[in-house]
Amino acid sequence: NAGVTQTPKFRVLKTGQSMTLLCAQDMNHEYMYWYRQDPGMGLRLIHYSVGEGTTAKGEVPDGYNVSRLKKQNFLLGLESAAPSQTSVYFCASSYRGGLQPQHFGDGTRLSIL
Amino acid sequence: GQSLEQPSEVTAVEGAIVQINCTYQTSGFYGLSWYQQHDGGAPTFLSYNALDGLEETGRFSSFLSRSDSYGYLLLQELQMKDSASYFCAVLLRGIGNNRKLIWGLGTSLAVNP
Repeated sequence: NAGVTQTPKFRVLKTGQSMTLLCAQDMNHEYMYWYRQDPGMGLRLIHYSVGEGTTAKGEVPDGYNVSRLKKQNFLLGLESAAPSQTSVYFCASSYRGGLQPQHFGDGTRLSIL
Repeated sequence: GQSLEQPSEVTAVEGAIVQINCTYQTSGFYGLSWYQQHDGGAPTFLSYNALDGLEETGRFSSFLSRSDSYGYLLLQELQMKDSASYFCAVLLRGIGNNRKLIWGLGTSLAVNP
């Protein structure tokens, strides 16, 4: 079972470059999430989606955009990367929201020079 | 404001019992979840408490007291593989009908032989 798959696993960018992180889930989950995790900090929600075609802002949305054109995919975009966006990015999905278990991908380690 | 506190580090020996506490000061509280994360890995769901009391899942149990704004994760018969970070996350009322999950900074558990 694939679960939640994130691509790429690693990436190095230069300041000002753009890129898209892809998250795919095969569990038919309605909710999908993008988090970032920095050293010594917990997970911080960037954006989330409660269903196909919907997106909403989380705690730290600035500098990121998302799209959910298909139920199984949730894309996170960085339009103009900044060193402050160096982080580990996790995608997660859940059948519903609330306290429903969130299933996480293995993360994307992104460095911006 | 809202705050969520858990110890940064806990050390225990194999076979012992350890309790990781989580205290919160929030409004619009719905429940509390626990996740485990091994170094470099994805967070994995352990349990959640929507109601007061104890939830038991194998060697792990989680407890919630809404009146005390307090919960804990209890790990019994500790094994070396339990060395990981443990995050509590509280579900709060957000804007409109939305709810949001706020994560603690995590507790690093070291299990020694």
